[in-house]
This record gives sequence, C-alpha cells and structure tokens, in this order.
Amino acid sequence: GENVEQHPSTLSVQEGDSAVIKCTYSDSASNYFPWYKQELGKRPQLIIDIRSNVGEKKDQRIAVTLNKTAKHFSLHITETQPEDSAVYFCAASDSQAGTALIFGKGTTLSVSS
Amino acid sequence: EPEVTQTPSHQVTQMGQEVILRCVPISNHLYFYWYRQILGQKVEFLVSFYNNEISEKSEIFDDQFSVERPDGSNFTLKIRSTKLEDSAMYFCASRGRRLLDTQYFGPGTRLTVL
Repeated sequence: GENVEQHPSTLSVQEGDSAVIKCTYSDSASNYFPWYKQELGKRPQLIIDIRSNVGEKKDQRIAVTLNKTAKHFSLHITETQPEDSAVYFCAASDSQAGTALIFGKGTTLSVSS
Repeated sequence: EPEVTQTPSHQVTQMGQEVILRCVPISNHLYFYWYRQILGQKVEFLVSFYNNEISEKSEIFDDQFSVERPDGSNFTLKIRSTKLEDSAMYFCASRGRRLLDTQYFGPGTRLTVL
C-alpha cells in the first residue's frame, strides 16, 4: 500500500521568510496530493491540492510542486506570517483503488515575529 | 459554507465498553470516511463508505469497528469493546460525487478510554 514520508518534522522560520515542506510517496498509482493545515485542537483544513496532470499550482502565498517521476511533492509558503504556525500534513490518494487519504507524519511550522 | 459536524466533541469511556461516534456529513456528499489521530501522531485512515457499504478499510479497522448510515443524514462509527489504545481523536470526512473532490473534515471526537 501507499506510504508517505514527510520532512522536516519541525520547521522554525522568521516572519517573512519562506518555508518548504517535502513529501515522498511510494505508490506510482497515486494521483491526488492534498495539503492540510491543522491548528492545535482543530480539524485538518485543506489549504491546497494538486493532481497528477499538473506540475505546479499556486494560491497567493502558497504553492505546491509535484514531480511524478521522482514521486515527491513539496509545499512552499512565502512571506510567512505568525498565523501560518500550525502542523501541516501532506497526503496522497489513488483514485483507482479508492480515495482513502494516506497522510505523512506532519510538519510543525513555527513562525516567529 | 456547509460543514461536517460530529458529536460528541469528547467521549470518556471505560475499557470494554461500546461507544458510538456520530457524524453528519455535508448534505449533498456521497462518500464518507473515518480517520483517527493518536495524540501527536499523523492522521490514519480507518474506513470509507459509499452507497451504503464499505468501499475500503485499513488494517486498523478490525472486527471491533463498524460503520453505519442509519438514516439520510447521520454516519456512525461504533467500537464494540474499547481498548486503551483506541484513545485518539476520530475525524469524520465527506466528499462530493467526483472521484478527486476534496475531503472535508469534521471537528473530531476526542475518545478517551480509561
């Protein structure tokens, strides 16, 4: 089955800096890659996703890149703000086998002002 | 904006007891899921449900677990005989009819087994 590895586990940046979180997946059949943000005690909330037919997607300060050949995808946050502090999870899904999301272990991002 | 809701927000139970966690998915969604998250760990898939039957389940979802859609709005997860290691946050999620539609998560039920 699918296995998703996520790095780093913690990331501390200064406000205004960029943050990059990387994930790799094992199942070449996976074709949907969402990123969720989870604040303490809250539900995971989708912030951006990418499908296998595109290599990059951007939404304001957030971007995701996908390299299907290498089986890795990354989240890029530019001009970080203190409210970006949260745990970020990447996930992968294979639409042929079903749509269960397999999550990485999460990255705790801390943005200090 | 419609949201997935879950009740209760926190459930405390004794080991060996049965618990039922309840979810109300977004009204026009067709696919429903349960995930769990042990404190400080990643979110883990338990089961997916479509057209009144389980479509996929993980190794975690053993005979102690069951799911049901008893009416047109509720989606439940039952744990028959809880164990200490069942203590976790349980999230319900739902998505629309398209295969790669976004999954929306509920606020979770924190289950504590004593």
